Amino acid sequence: ETGVTQTPRHLVMGMTNKKSLKCEQHLGHNAMYWYKQSAKKPLELMFVYSLEERVENNSVPSRFSPECPNSSHLFLHLHTLQPEDSALYLCASSPGLAGRGTQYFGPGTRLLVL
Amino acid sequence: AQSVTQPDIHITVSEGASLELRCNYSYGATPYLFWYVQSPGQGLQLLLKYFSGDTLVQGIKGFEAEFKRSQSSFNLRKPSVHWSDAAEYFCAVGYNQGGKLIFGQGTELSVKP
Repeated sequence: ETGVTQTPRHLVMGMTNKKSLKCEQHLGHNAMYWYKQSAKKPLELMFVYSLEERVENNSVPSRFSPECPNSSHLFLHLHTLQPEDSALYLCASSPGLAGRGTQYFGPGTRLLVL
Repeated sequence: AQSVTQPDIHITVSEGASLELRCNYSYGATPYLFWYVQSPGQGLQLLLKYFSGDTLVQGIKGFEAEFKRSQSSFNLRKPSVHWSDAAEYFCAVGYNQGGKLIFGQGTELSVKP
């Protein structure tokens, strides 16, 4: 596997369910990101991790809980979501946190909350 | 506040015609600039980037972009569009610290046969 992979690619869940999104990067990068992409809106940065430490949390509701056990893996744990949380969730990685570090994106998880 | 504006939500061009997608940014220092493309159901793929030096940068798939500091612009161009270029295009500005990318709202490109 190369690049950034995400599983599952599609997820349907009820508002009372608990699920997790997984991201894995095979690029040897030190920084990883979660973005939310909703229709007709710019990408919203949710979380940033650098060397497994969370360095950014953009006022994301607590029903989203990230986890970064090592620099290659990133999870997004979901619980008691709302229908407005339905979106494409994109994971990205970059060599480091400097602004010139190019971010490489995974294919995303399409989430539907019923 | 830093921001990125893509004035055109949707553009339609004929196959073989030239293309220019506009991007304007607001940022106090010299920006790091990126163009990404997203095909339906896919993640974002990097087309090209500008950090410094030559203000005309070449990217993949025959795309190029020109940084114009005086106009705070980083417009994407392609001389001859192919049907496979139909996708959504995002301009982004990078900060020097913190790993943040600020994205524009995107421009959806349709290609007519």
